[in-house]
Amino acid sequence: DAKTTQPNSMESNEEEPVHLPCNHSTISGTDYIHWYRQLPSQGPEYVIHGLTSNVNNRMASLAIAEDRKSSTLILHRATLRDAAVYYCILGQANAGGTSYGKLTFGQGTILTVHP
Amino acid sequence: DAGITQSPRHKVTETGTPVTLRCHQTENHRYMYWYRQDPGHGLRLIHYSYGVKDTDKGEVSDGYSVSRSKTEDFLLTLESATSSQTSVYFCAISEKEGNQPQHFGDGTRLSIL
Repeated sequence: DAKTTQPNSMESNEEEPVHLPCNHSTISGTDYIHWYRQLPSQGPEYVIHGLTSNVNNRMASLAIAEDRKSSTLILHRATLRDAAVYYCILGQANAGGTSYGKLTFGQGTILTVHP
Repeated sequence: DAGITQSPRHKVTETGTPVTLRCHQTENHRYMYWYRQDPGHGLRLIHYSYGVKDTDKGEVSDGYSVSRSKTEDFLLTLESATSSQTSVYFCAISEKEGNQPQHFGDGTRLSIL
């Protein structure tokens, strides 16, 4: 199974941009790149996902390298509420080739935001 | 927020007793998932369902069974709970197959003494 590698932790100041990196050098051609985050004592929350092109939504932007071996989640202006564990995950297909959306969570990056 | 309710939210029980956790959704989503989260392991998939009465095993399915008799409910059962099953359990749902976002419940904290 394709794996992702993320830094254990990162720090940012409030109202500054944050770039959270993720390496996925063994990604397959059909794997989507997903980002979730988990605030303390809550379930994971979907942030964004993409396949090849950069993606934007109200929460964040996802920049995907041309060779798809890495990606970066961008929070344009960090707030204290963005302090969470951020997970970069590859969407996997089952043996039959039909994805049931199974996600394999790694350890993620703990983001600390300073006032 | 997606309409997902997990019950109970907290439970303490003894080794060897049966335990059933319930996940209820009001979104009419086809796909439902059970994960457990433990320190040092992140979230791991236990079982998932791709329709009524259609379920399959995940990464850590030993000691767990599931049932889905209707779209809105996905039950996770520990037939004979062990201390190693002490964990936080999360249910998730998604609307479509193929890399669609999953929406998670608030979790059930289960302690087995």
